[in-house]
Amino acid sequence: DTAVSQTPKYLVTQMGNDKSIKCEQNLGHDTMYWYKQDSKKFLKIMFSYNNKELIINETVPNRFSPKSPDKAHLNLHINSLELGDSAVYFCASSPMEGGGAGEQYFGPGTRLTVT
Amino acid sequence: GDSVTQMEGPVTLSEEAFLTINCTYTATGYPSLFWYVQYPGEGLQLLLKATKADDKGSNKGFEATYRKETTSFHLEKGSVQVSDSAVYFCALREYSGGGADGLTFGKGTHLIIQP
Repeated sequence: DTAVSQTPKYLVTQMGNDKSIKCEQNLGHDTMYWYKQDSKKFLKIMFSYNNKELIINETVPNRFSPKSPDKAHLNLHINSLELGDSAVYFCASSPMEGGGAGEQYFGPGTRLTVT
Repeated sequence: GDSVTQMEGPVTLSEEAFLTINCTYTATGYPSLFWYVQYPGEGLQLLLKATKADDKGSNKGFEATYRKETTSFHLEKGSVQVSDSAVYFCALREYSGGGADGLTFGKGTHLIIQP
């Protein structure tokens, strides 16, 4: 069973288009995240959702908008795509834990190429 | 803010060699520390973790000890295999009470094991 899944795995699109990446987790976790990995493999948090509430928004352009229809899903919508948006986007999830931080479980990634 | 520094790669070793990948961190509180591994074309997998000072995380022959006095979490393995070739990420997570904290990653170390 796939714990955290993402679709599509590859996405090639032109500048100016609007696209979405879907993420689903079957771990029963309360919190989900989106990370961006650039061409140099550097990973940076973009968003997290906890019980349908946005918790973190790390200076990401407002062209990016996370949408969580329920606790198991966190989709990423990107408007007016730019060349600099080309990257690998990872979804992750983690359980709510009191008193200590826990590990996060990552999806396989979506490689976005903007031409 | 929080940051993680790990040795630059690529690191090239022969099979059965001893491995050390250095990782140091800066954090305002008492973070949990992690090593993740990314095999080519795949997502991130948790390799090991430690949640408090002097904890040792271990998995698949890899070990790392949480050293608060030197703010380090170096990854070691006694005898590497070709199958260990991957990119290794050191990461930390501070607990702010909300349970939705993102991971702060180092830049990754590309490990190449030659037969």
